[in-house]
Amino acid sequence: DIQMTQSPSSLSASVGDRVTITCRASQSISSYLNWYQQKPGKAPKLLMYIASRLESGVPSRFSGGGSGTEFTLTISGLQPEDSATYYCQQCYSTPLTFGGGTKVEIK
Amino acid sequence: EVQLLESGGGLVQPGGSLRLSCAASGFTFSSYAMTWVRQAPGKGLEWVASISASVSNTYYADSVQGRFTISRDDSKNTLYLQMNSPRAGDTAEYYCAKGGRLEPFDCWGQGTLVTVSS
Repeated sequence: DIQMTQSPSSLSASVGDRVTITCRASQSISSYLNWYQQKPGKAPKLLMYIASRLESGVPSRFSGGGSGTEFTLTISGLQPEDSATYYCQQCYSTPLTFGGGTKVEIK
Repeated sequence: EVQLLESGGGLVQPGGSLRLSCAASGFTFSSYAMTWVRQAPGKGLEWVASISASVSNTYYADSVQGRFTISRDDSKNTLYLQMNSPRAGDTAEYYCAKGGRLEPFDCWGQGTLVTVSS
């Protein structure tokens, strides 16, 4: 099974800050890495797919990168509405696995 | 508009059975893989099972293999999860999602809560 490790598990940042979340896969997954945002009591929402492709309707302050085993999600210019938990997920092979999540709080 | 609407959740006794449904609309259901993802209270996301389009190949997490069955009825645009012999550890919010292997989950339902307790 491919293990997905996210870091940090939580962070606190100010409005306007640049925030980066890292996701590492236990083996190469090419670019089959997706990022989701989940707010309390809500279903997850797709932000990025195939590592760096922005889902339609998602603000351009979100960007993704990486390939192989190391990936990043960056929020450039953090906004209050970005307070949420972010999950990475590999869709390269079953079992399809998620990272443990990164909770982003606004100072 | 793409929509997924889960139903069928509730309280079930350990060892019982429950069937979840997910009604899809706004897209050609038969052309897409579909997936169930769950989230235990206060925990992260866990993939449960996926079913491919067309030939309906199925894939399961080890934690549910042999107890849960994913299926689809393309004539009704509906995805199912048959949960047999549930355990307390299966208590979670269950989401259906459009997508599967090599595809992102680009649309999610609102979730249905399953509580396994005597």
